[in-house]
Amino acid sequence: DAMVIQNPRYQVTQFGKPVTLSCSQTLNHNVMYWYQQKSSQAPKLLFHYYDKDFNNEADTPDNFQSRRPNTSFCFLDIRSPGLGDAAMYLCATSRDPGQGYEQYFGPGTRLTVT
Amino acid sequence: GENVEQHPSTLSVQEGDSAVIKCTYSDSASNYFPWYKQELGKRPQLIIDIRSNVGEKKDQRIAVTLNKTAKHFSLHITETQPEDSAVYFCAASTGAQKLVFGQGTRLTINP
Repeated sequence: DAMVIQNPRYQVTQFGKPVTLSCSQTLNHNVMYWYQQKSSQAPKLLFHYYDKDFNNEADTPDNFQSRRPNTSFCFLDIRSPGLGDAAMYLCATSRDPGQGYEQYFGPGTRLTVT
Repeated sequence: GENVEQHPSTLSVQEGDSAVIKCTYSDSASNYFPWYKQELGKRPQLIIDIRSNVGEKKDQRIAVTLNKTAKHFSLHITETQPEDSAVYFCAASTGAQKLVFGQGTRLTINP
């Protein structure tokens, strides 16, 4: 009954080698989010999709891109990973949050950059 | 934009005692205030939330209070147990699709 699924759970990539992280959801939620979380810090929002509308955070580096080909799937592309990009990447979903709704988090992908 | 401050950053209590974590927010338009619990290596999970039209909400040993005038909200855990040990995050939302998180509180329950 997994609701937000992330693959892979662990990803090792080399410095500068592009990597793609995947998120899928069975909740049919309108909104999908990508967060970066480092060592028990608060999750940092990178961007989110409201249906097909992409919303980038002002401080998200250009190195991070995202795609949402359909309601169920969302991808995070890191074009040239640096050592500082090693982190847990969390995907989350939410219903139309007009009045504020719970965000459901996936289990995360732990990215290691060597 | 919204800014959320959370205190304390670490909290250690004896098993069976109560724990209180406090957050303040800056945007008076914020109307949704969730609390997430994150165990080591796991996803954040919602434990309780409150909306701006409510002053207090309780779910078994967990309660949240909201003071809109002072723009602060608090998490109260009573009769703490070892499994309550985790990092807790407060957050606030104006309903504009995004949550703004506090910095987190690492709660340790000592047996």
